Amino acid sequence: EDQVTQSPEALRLQEGESSSLNCSYTVSGLRGLFWYRQDPGKGPEFLFTLYSAGEEKEKERLKATLTKKESFLHITAPKPEDSATYLCAGGDTGRRALTFGSGTRLQVQP
Amino acid sequence: ETGVTQSPTHLIKTRGQQVTLRCSSQSGHNTVSWYQQALGQGPQFIFQYYREEENGRGNFPPRFSGLQFPNYSSELNVNALELDDSALYLCASRVGGGANTGELFFGEGSRLTVL
Repeated sequence: EDQVTQSPEALRLQEGESSSLNCSYTVSGLRGLFWYRQDPGKGPEFLFTLYSAGEEKEKERLKATLTKKESFLHITAPKPEDSATYLCAGGDTGRRALTFGSGTRLQVQP
Repeated sequence: ETGVTQSPTHLIKTRGQQVTLRCSSQSGHNTVSWYQQALGQGPQFIFQYYREEENGRGNFPPRFSGLQFPNYSSELNVNALELDDSALYLCASRVGGGANTGELFFGEGSRLTVL
């Protein structure tokens, strides 16, 4: 069964305190590992897609990396506006769907 | 460029009733998928429509059904509502209906409460 597991479930950081979020996955027919950001009461917003082990992508204070079994979202010197739930998903070519993890709720305090 | 829009934003139904949720895809996007997101969980795939045909489905019973129209807008219908159907229903669109899932653009969702 396809599975995406994210840790930690919740993370509280002080402004400027860097950290990493973890996503481990077992998705048959995997085609891409996706990161989304979701603010309360909103739909998920696309951040990154990674396709190959060793690939890295950056956007402002965020950097996503991929290995054969895990992906990490590194947050460098976060700001309060980075507070959100970060969702990881594996692309399943069979069902043409994304299999999402439960997310990491990030709170950055000033 | 108009994003994905969903209606209604909130609704309350009672157990056993039927509900229809609507979605207008982002301009130029011909593929629409629906996801169910329970509180504190990640979205779960319901189904995908491409060229007015369902071409992918998750582990949801047949009482969850859908339509896609020639203008690529879509509907999600749920019959015989159960308490566990209470959730945020998300519509997402993208270009291309093939196996490569690609970047999805999500709407803000329809919050359904079943009493």
